[in-house]
Amino acid sequence: GIQVEQSPPDLILQEGANSTLRCNFSDSVNNLQWFHQNPWGQLINLFYIPSGTKQNGRLSATTVATERYSLLYISSSQTTDSGVYFCAVAYQGAQKLVFGQGTRLTINP
Amino acid sequence: DTEVTQTPKHLVMGMTNKKSLKCEQHMGHRAMYWYKQKAKKPPELMFVYSYEKLSINESVPSRFSPECPNSSLLNLHLHALQPEDSALYLCASRRTGESEQFFGPGTRLTVL
Repeated sequence: GIQVEQSPPDLILQEGANSTLRCNFSDSVNNLQWFHQNPWGQLINLFYIPSGTKQNGRLSATTVATERYSLLYISSSQTTDSGVYFCAVAYQGAQKLVFGQGTRLTINP
Repeated sequence: DTEVTQTPKHLVMGMTNKKSLKCEQHMGHRAMYWYKQKAKKPPELMFVYSYEKLSINESVPSRFSPECPNSSLLNLHLHALQPEDSALYLCASRRTGESEQFFGPGTRLTVL
């Protein structure tokens, strides 16, 4: 099946720093989503980004489908950005979503 | 209404109990999902319903029994669970023709 790899697995930063999270995938996909899982377990949709670049406030994402990777940028980090960031790709007629292992981000004050 | 709701938020049950998890959405999505997430792991797909019919079962043990009584509601019936079934159970939905999934807040299940 399709493989999704995220890096780095863990990232610890000071408030105000910028970060880049990477997602590599092994095959052609219908779509790619980025999620933030908060400490209570809620998966929050950040981006739905099959290709191209999108921005939402301090967050932006770029997917290069032909090279099978996506990047999530977080600028001017805040402590509320802490949590686990998952990349997930859709395939098999878009019915299935396969998750990467996640990047655990800790923002210290 | 642009959200998926799940009840209960927390559930503690014994291995001989029967309980149910509930998921609801009013976005008109006709695909609904159950995922299981263990601590420090990503969500894993369990079941997919499309137009109220089961379309994917990822070889889930029969002690988990899904049900989709109508287009807005998805249940997961639990019976004779094991302690290793303790996990966060997430529901999601998707509009047909699109691939973006939207998740509920989850039910944190503990099996004693």
